[in-house]
Amino acid sequence: EAGVTQSPTHLIKTRGQQATLRCSPISGHTSVYWYQQALGLGLQFLLWYDEGEERNRGNFPPRFSGRQFPNYSSELNVNALELEDSALYLCASRVAGAGKDTQYFGPGTRLTVL
Amino acid sequence: KNEVEQSPQNLTAQEGEFITINCSYSVGISALHWLQQHPGGGIVSLFMLSSGKKKHGRLIATINIQEKHSSLHITASHPRDSAVYICAVRTSGSRLTFGEGTQLTVNP
Repeated sequence: EAGVTQSPTHLIKTRGQQATLRCSPISGHTSVYWYQQALGLGLQFLLWYDEGEERNRGNFPPRFSGRQFPNYSSELNVNALELEDSALYLCASRVAGAGKDTQYFGPGTRLTVL
Repeated sequence: KNEVEQSPQNLTAQEGEFITINCSYSVGISALHWLQQHPGGGIVSLFMLSSGKKKHGRLIATINIQEKHSSLHITASHPRDSAVYICAVRTSGSRLTFGEGTQLTVNP
């Protein structure tokens, strides 16, 4: 079974530009979560999509947005990039039901803002 | 104060030692996860707990819901266990709130 995949692996942008990060969940998983791990900081919850809708978002400005497609893959968009947006962005997909509920993490996209 | 606190922040051990990492949380949770993050960022989910104890190989995780505390134990530690171990609690809306992680280094 293929795991969660993310692209690109690395992304370099300059301040003010827009970044688009992509995530493909494990087949059959309908929920996708996005997390940010800035240098020296812990993981922070960004966004949760399920069945194509945004279900919850963390304490991030509206510059961070995303969407989930009919095939359950997801995109994270970061507009008007700032230096402090440099971080590892992790996507996770979730399976729930029948006594099981866990998230499977992708390898991450490392975004560098210059 | 963070909702999820881990200790210690850094831990250095000799190969073969028994290791314990602790996690305390201050919110109501539906489950607690232990995650392992390797250099480069890849994260592996080790355990999901809502009560009691789970064991997988040399890893054991326990949770005490009343005391809002969980521990991750590694028996017979090995250099390949070197990684960051992260405690995460699942609160409302299935979102995870993370501890800051414990950097474990196991020396040969």
